[in-house]
Amino acid sequence: GQSLEQPSEVTAVEGAIVQINCTYQTSGFYGLSWYQQHDGGAPTFLSYNALDGLEETGRFSSFLSRSDSYGYLLLQELQMKDSASYFCAARKYNFNKFYFGSGTKLNVKP
Amino acid sequence: DTGVSQDPRHKITKRGQNVTFRCDPISEHNRLYWYRQTLGQGPEFLTYFQNEAQLEKSRLLSDRFSAERPKGSFSTLEIQRTEQGDSAMYLCASSLGPTGPKTSTDTQYFGPGTRLTVL
Repeated sequence: GQSLEQPSEVTAVEGAIVQINCTYQTSGFYGLSWYQQHDGGAPTFLSYNALDGLEETGRFSSFLSRSDSYGYLLLQELQMKDSASYFCAARKYNFNKFYFGSGTKLNVKP
Repeated sequence: DTGVSQDPRHKITKRGQNVTFRCDPISEHNRLYWYRQTLGQGPEFLTYFQNEAQLEKSRLLSDRFSAERPKGSFSTLEIQRTEQGDSAMYLCASSLGPTGPKTSTDTQYFGPGTRLTVL
């Protein structure tokens, strides 16, 4: 089976740093993606890890540990516009099939 | 705007009716995906096309669902004999596919979705 676990909701203040964790159980795991989705909007791609370690893209970084079946998304210098849902998605090896977690709703407060 | 368009944006139908949705991907993208998303959940994979070939279909997809991608361009998703449980947001995404050993991201670009309500 396939499963991805994320916290359902996280609250942080503007300017702070927040980490959203994702643990997965995916047979034939190939890589982990992160998407952002604002209410009423479509998911937009943030980051992808195929190898262990940290990938940095501006204020957003993503980390993967294959041995722990674990990844996280790190958001720095939080802004009000970062309030959204964040999804991790596991890609299955040799298939272009992505399994999404249930999402983490991030609330950024002033 | 990602460049992926979907039509219609909203559809209200009565139980038992057939509905068809259209997705126009980014023109140079050869991969196209359909997902279903319900409130508070992540997108759920339905099916995937590489050009015009449907290569993967979720086992969760009943026989009432069918998708096509003639000529490897736009795609349609049809739901026959709709049920109230089909009410959801139907998302389409397209991707270019990996272009090299380091670019295995295969980033998917999502359209705005079609919100289906079955009464």
